[in-house]
Amino acid sequence: QVQLQESGPGLVKPSETLSLTCAVSTGSISPYYWSWIRQPPGKELEWIGYISYTGNPTYNPSLKSRVTISVDTSTNRFSLKLTSVTAADTAVYFCARDWTGTTVFDYWGQGTLVTVSS
Amino acid sequence: DIVMTQTPLSLSVTPGQPASISCKSSQSLLHSDGKTYLYWYLQKTGQSPQLLIYEVSSRFSGVPDRFSGSGSGTDFTLKISRVEAGDVGVYYCMQGINGRTFGQGTKVEI
Repeated sequence: QVQLQESGPGLVKPSETLSLTCAVSTGSISPYYWSWIRQPPGKELEWIGYISYTGNPTYNPSLKSRVTISVDTSTNRFSLKLTSVTAADTAVYFCARDWTGTTVFDYWGQGTLVTVSS
Repeated sequence: DIVMTQTPLSLSVTPGQPASISCKSSQSLLHSDGKTYLYWYLQKTGQSPQLLIYEVSSRFSGVPDRFSGSGSGTDFTLKISRVEAGDVGVYYCMQGINGRTFGQGTKVEI
């Protein structure tokens, strides 16, 4: 059973950069795709972007200018950076295993709440 | 961008009775490879979403056969043949043919 665990600051100041890491255990980063998804309090899910195990990312067009997703296969981790954050970026951020060849988002992290506030 | 529209947004069900959720996409989800990239998830309160159905109608491992998915092109349906108390939560459809886009969610309650 693949396990994913998000980590990073729970509080980020407006205009600063949100940085999160997802550690993948009991399984390998290869040969899958990996995503970040967020959910503002009380709202629906929003896909942020995914990255292949080879390091090729694809982003949600609405966030593309502010998002960077990277992968480190040597440590079985992938990361999210979101720049110039505002209160609208306050959300629970989930990491999940993306494309497996058939399923998408079959394994998820527990999610981590990131609040943007001064 | 592909827009996913779910109906209804809220559904009150009686245990033992069937339930159905509709999901429509603004573009066809049928890929040239012959697969249709439509997925269903259930998010129970306070939990991460869990995959129920992939590629329109395939049940994920461990998902009871009370859950079934159907549809093609732009119109899809998730059916629960006999709702149980543990099925409450928010159901999301999602397209996977061009990036990923979720529907607004359908809240199912008893």
